[in-house]
Amino acid sequence: RKEVEQDPGPFNVPEGATVAFNCTYSNSASQSFFWYRQDCRKEPKLLMSVYSSGNEDGRFTAQLNRASQYISLLIRDSKLSDSATYLCVVASGGYQKVTFGIGTKLQVIP
Amino acid sequence: GAVVSQHPSRVICKSGTSVKIECRSLDFQATTMFWYRQFPKQSLMLMATSNEGSKATYEQGVEKDKFLINHASLTLSTLTVTSAHPEDSSFYICSAEDMDRANTGELFFGEGSRLTVL
Repeated sequence: RKEVEQDPGPFNVPEGATVAFNCTYSNSASQSFFWYRQDCRKEPKLLMSVYSSGNEDGRFTAQLNRASQYISLLIRDSKLSDSATYLCVVASGGYQKVTFGIGTKLQVIP
Repeated sequence: GAVVSQHPSRVICKSGTSVKIECRSLDFQATTMFWYRQFPKQSLMLMATSNEGSKATYEQGVEKDKFLINHASLTLSTLTVTSAHPEDSSFYICSAEDMDRANTGELFFGEGSRLTVL
């Protein structure tokens, strides 16, 4: 089993739609969780951290379920500019051990 | 936001030669930098953790004598792929953590270096 699993997609959604991605992780000792966004042929950039209580940033909502060992990302009112690959990142030991998911590709269609 | 510069962005070399990739934090200091590689259709894989002033910590399966890492200052880490072979062709990317914002856990990534070994 992979340490961090994501559905690679692609997810093709119309503008304005709501889309959700899940990511599961196998290491129960994981401490930090993040969603990164990676545009084609560019470096990953932090989208948001994921906190135990769940957190929201505009149209983006991230949630963590430690019991089931998964995190999720919800995007509301999708924009064309949201088209990218969303990487699930799980870290332990203060970033001494960082594991990336394969990324989920999102394509927002006009 | 913090900026990490990686150079070169693209390099083509002959089999058997060595290639050096630089990773610089431009506006912050990083005691720790990370090196990853990404093969097509695969996730970013951590290769090693580069610590300023000390030896790098390599992930299992990564040959330390082949992938030489030097982190001589708080703003520069280098990865040297020695005696490169076609199977080393990959996308190499570095990241750094801002010392002053270590509690956020945010990593800043370089633009990546695409290595092609002929």
